[in-house]
Amino acid sequence: AQSVTQPDIHITVSEGASLELRCNYSYGATPYLFWYVQSPGQGLQLLLKYFSGDTLVQGIKGFEAEFKRSQSSFNLRKPSVHWSDAAEYFCAVKGAQKLVFGQGTRLTINP
Amino acid sequence: DAGVIQSPRHEVTEMGQEVTLRCKPISGHDYLFWYRQTMMRGLELLIYFNNNVPIDDSGMPEDRFSAKMPNASFSTLKIQPSEPRDSAVYFCASRTGDLKRILDTQYFGPGTRLTVL
Repeated sequence: AQSVTQPDIHITVSEGASLELRCNYSYGATPYLFWYVQSPGQGLQLLLKYFSGDTLVQGIKGFEAEFKRSQSSFNLRKPSVHWSDAAEYFCAVKGAQKLVFGQGTRLTINP
Repeated sequence: DAGVIQSPRHEVTEMGQEVTLRCKPISGHDYLFWYRQTMMRGLELLIYFNNNVPIDDSGMPEDRFSAKMPNASFSTLKIQPSEPRDSAVYFCASRTGDLKRILDTQYFGPGTRLTVL
């Protein structure tokens, strides 16, 4: 069965610093991978998704993610974070029709 | 488009009471999903529908939970009787069933925060 692991429960970075959130997946076939962001009190918003092709995927809000099949990873990156990026981030892999989510990584931004 | 609409946004009830959560998916979307989010268990898929028909309810925790989708624009998740451990945020999501866009995104509602005292 497919699964997603986000090793970091909580990350704190300074505003303007670079960011990388880790995601490892387990899936037998070609994975379809997603990153969602959840701001406090809000629903989930899609940041980006990977289906095939270029392994470096660009998303909204300046985020990107790189698919590495050899490492079963789909890490999310941003070169310079803004205070508004403070939120919880979820990595997900798509099964037959369902999304399987990781536990999430809470991002705190220091001014 | 108004997006996925959920009501109520907040619900506080006492143990043993019936709770009904409501969802209106995005018009034209053929799939509807109910999720539960807790600190301990993260995001869990409870059930999903395709064309108003429940396809997979393996995530429904127990018989106290039931979900219906009487038409394409409305779904309910009911808990009867409610228990304190049901306290969570419940999300509804929908997506298109267009085969050309079968891998399309799920769009999430804002969630209903349920507190059972």
